[in-house]
Amino acid sequence: SQQGEEDPQALSIQEGENATMNCSYKTSINNLQWYRQNSGRGLVHLILIRSNEREKHSGRLRVTLDTSKKSSSLLITASRAADTASYFCATENKADMYSGGGADGLTFGKGTHLIIQP
Amino acid sequence: NAGVTQTPKFQVLKTGQSMTLQCAQDMNHNSMYWYRQDPGMGLRLIYYSASEGTTDKGEVPNGYNVSRLNKREFSLRLESAAPSQTSVYFCASSKDRGWAGELFFGEGSRLTVL
Repeated sequence: SQQGEEDPQALSIQEGENATMNCSYKTSINNLQWYRQNSGRGLVHLILIRSNEREKHSGRLRVTLDTSKKSSSLLITASRAADTASYFCATENKADMYSGGGADGLTFGKGTHLIIQP
Repeated sequence: NAGVTQTPKFQVLKTGQSMTLQCAQDMNHNSMYWYRQDPGMGLRLIYYSASEGTTDKGEVPNGYNVSRLNKREFSLRLESAAPSQTSVYFCASSKDRGWAGELFFGEGSRLTVL
């Protein structure tokens, strides 16, 4: 079952601009993670934010989490051509901490495809 | 470090054929997972192994079997391949049992079933 939904599905910006993508989810979570996938490659973990955190930074990445709205955003500042990739949010659902990891487990959204124009 | 290694990278099968996708990790992780990725569908969990000796079904287990051969290796088997199993398959691992942490992914195995 799909938990996270990214928005927009695709985003094209000029190099140097900031890129913002959003993720909405449906049920209570323990944490939310963002991953990047370059074309034809595996996913790479970017950042994890826990349900009791509101904002987290890592280099040019800034992630916010609003549990009341069940949403998160990923901001990439000063974008570079190398940031061209698909970005996925993934949620660890609250119930799974007690079930030891059930069928839902770490659930991924469908992704935002980001293109940085040089 | 190699991280998570999957083989083969590409495979073409005919309907009804069987095959096994292999996955190995060298990070001494306890948990391993198999996902499939289809266009417009994101990643969906097929099976996972929280620790050596255990396996559990994920969201889309039908048509698949898995074996946690040892702590390093987790294989995915298609007994009788169907066109609906055409997909990109990703193996992943994480340090601890459960999900509260980072997943490390392999590069994917691209399977086409004719």
